[in-house]
Amino acid sequence: AQKITQTQPGMFVQEKEAVTLDCTYDTSDPSYGLFWYKQPSSGEMIFLIYQGSYDQQNATEGRYSLNFQKARKSANLVISASQLGDSAMYFCAMGGAGSYQLTFGKGTKLSVIP
Amino acid sequence: GAVVSQHPSRVICKSGTSVKIECRSLDFQATTMFWYRQFPKKSLMLMATSNEGSKATYEQGVEKDKFLINHASLTLSTLTVTSAHPEDSSFYICSARDPRAGTSGDYEQYFGPGTRLTVT
Repeated sequence: AQKITQTQPGMFVQEKEAVTLDCTYDTSDPSYGLFWYKQPSSGEMIFLIYQGSYDQQNATEGRYSLNFQKARKSANLVISASQLGDSAMYFCAMGGAGSYQLTFGKGTKLSVIP
Repeated sequence: GAVVSQHPSRVICKSGTSVKIECRSLDFQATTMFWYRQFPKKSLMLMATSNEGSKATYEQGVEKDKFLINHASLTLSTLTVTSAHPEDSSFYICSARDPRAGTSGDYEQYFGPGTRLTVT
């Protein structure tokens, strides 16, 4: 069974500062994928970044980077230069071998302060 | 990028009636679609996996006779909430798997914008 843990229910960050959202996972699959999604108040799920378990380098997408520490089973999201529009719920998710479905964490609500 | 639509975006129905929610992949053929349910301020919970041309696979605890899923074509899956009750009020989100593996490899999937169901 797969499990995603996000221990931060809410986070605050000053505009233009960087913020790290924590995510740890548990799985027995040797091959898996890790995702981060943003969900604004409208409800849509916006894909941010993906990390494959065999990827050697940490994934980056613009202001988003994924700090992947395989031995620690962590996949933290780093948002640089926060913007007011970054205020939203952020979900970490995982897909395992042989199954395309995603398991989601409980989410972290990020609030960017002007 | 690939687009998935959901219809309706919002629906209010009376207790005891049935409601159908459509999920369409607009520019790719989705052999697999997923249906999630999200309560306010909670995470997404997978309800079922829908494969084109076969019966849906429901997660434990999800009543298959209440939440009817049909995946009749490679671009359309429907979720019908039968005999809806106020406790079925929730945000329902579908996602469609794009078999043309992209940046997310085998896990490449796209989410619809969601349907907010309110049962009065």
